[in-house]
Amino acid sequence: QKEVEQNSGPLSVPEGAIASLNCTYSDRGSQSFFWYRQYSGKSPELIMSIYSNGDKEDGRFTAQLNKASQYVSLLIRDSQPSDSATYLCAVNAGNQFYFGTGTSLTVIP
Amino acid sequence: GAVVSQHPSRVICKSGTSVKIECRSLDFQATTMFWYRQFPKQSLMLMATSNEGSKATYEQGVEKDKFLINHASLTLSTLTVTSAHPEDSSFYICSARWWGLDEKLFFGSGTQLSVL
Repeated sequence: QKEVEQNSGPLSVPEGAIASLNCTYSDRGSQSFFWYRQYSGKSPELIMSIYSNGDKEDGRFTAQLNKASQYVSLLIRDSQPSDSATYLCAVNAGNQFYFGTGTSLTVIP
Repeated sequence: GAVVSQHPSRVICKSGTSVKIECRSLDFQATTMFWYRQFPKQSLMLMATSNEGSKATYEQGVEKDKFLINHASLTLSTLTVTSAHPEDSSFYICSARWWGLDEKLFFGSGTQLSVL
């Protein structure tokens, strides 16, 4: 069973703060890791992908991967109300994509 | 990112009718597409994996005869919900595997199906 675990939240942060979203996965053979954002009633949108240990930054988003700990995280700096959404962690292992159940983030103005 | 188009975005139908949903990769070829359904405030549930030129692989508990999947070309996969009933009402989402320098998964915009 290839599992991807996320804290379902809800996570609330004030506007301008850093939001930290976490994800763990069970399959050590996982090669690719993704963060998707899903607004209510909409489909998931890819916001970050990471393939090697360390940090990857894209604008206000930073993805962090630690394969030894089987842990991937997403940091959102200067959080905005428009960042309020559910964030899905996904892992590619064995030619399949596995999704976590998502963390609901609310950014409070 | 790559573009995946899904139509229709919303459909309302009577119980017993069949509904076809199309998923197209607009700017890349997708040998593999995935179909999901999602109920309100719940997580994505993978229904089936669609492979171009071959039969789809269905997840356990998903009825093959109920949810017909056809992936006849490298840019188009279709999901037909046959003899739809109210319990089939859900948000259906397709995704396509993109191969470039690395591998990613891009989603269509989803189809909200309401069966009366």
